[in-house]
Amino acid sequence: DGGITQSPKYLFRKEGQNVTLSCEQNLNHDAMYWYRQDPGQGLRLIYYSQIVNDFQKGDIAEGYSVSREKKESFPLTVTSAQKNPTAFYLCASSIGQGSNQPQHFGDGTRLSIL
Amino acid sequence: AQTVTQSQPEMSVQEAETVTLSCTYDTSESDYYLFWYKQPPSRQMILVIRQEAYKQQNATENRFSVNFQKAAKSFSLKISDSQLGDAAMYFCAYRSLYGANSKLTFGKGITLSVRP
Repeated sequence: DGGITQSPKYLFRKEGQNVTLSCEQNLNHDAMYWYRQDPGQGLRLIYYSQIVNDFQKGDIAEGYSVSREKKESFPLTVTSAQKNPTAFYLCASSIGQGSNQPQHFGDGTRLSIL
Repeated sequence: AQTVTQSQPEMSVQEAETVTLSCTYDTSESDYYLFWYKQPPSRQMILVIRQEAYKQQNATENRFSVNFQKAAKSFSLKISDSQLGDAAMYFCAYRSLYGANSKLTFGKGITLSVRP
């Protein structure tokens, strides 16, 4: 079955450490997205990518970085510059712009500070 | 920029009854898409229903239907015959039809509880 796989499910970060969250999709979608979810805040867009080797900042990109070397993969790195990284992170993908097809979401990664 | 507002943080409904979740949005665009997503305790985001702004007919998916009022920029979700499995957070989301990306703008969500 096609879908989006996020790993790990839970992740802990030490002070000053960079951590990378994995997101893989086998839906052949062009576009991929990373969202952060905090209690009472809804989902906020961190980064998105419409095509391989291209990505754009979302609304809260500071302290994060991404890469899109393959169509199937869109890893998110939470850097030490992100001072409040504790949150639930969701990856999504979609066919692309101009389509009424919805975004499909992974099961998320919960990141906590040690 | 578009904004999506869900002003009710929590709602409760009796099992088998009907409940309506409110959503308003602000945009200067004439064509766009609107979605309702459900997030159960498992935290997975599940699409409930979608509406194209250029369609006047309200979307319906089994027990779920919307009341789309384009002029009022309102997009409410009606859940009929509520079931215990409907208990979850519900998010309203907006997406532009055109433009350089297909990103979603989400509301803050509403927590729905279902009383047995």
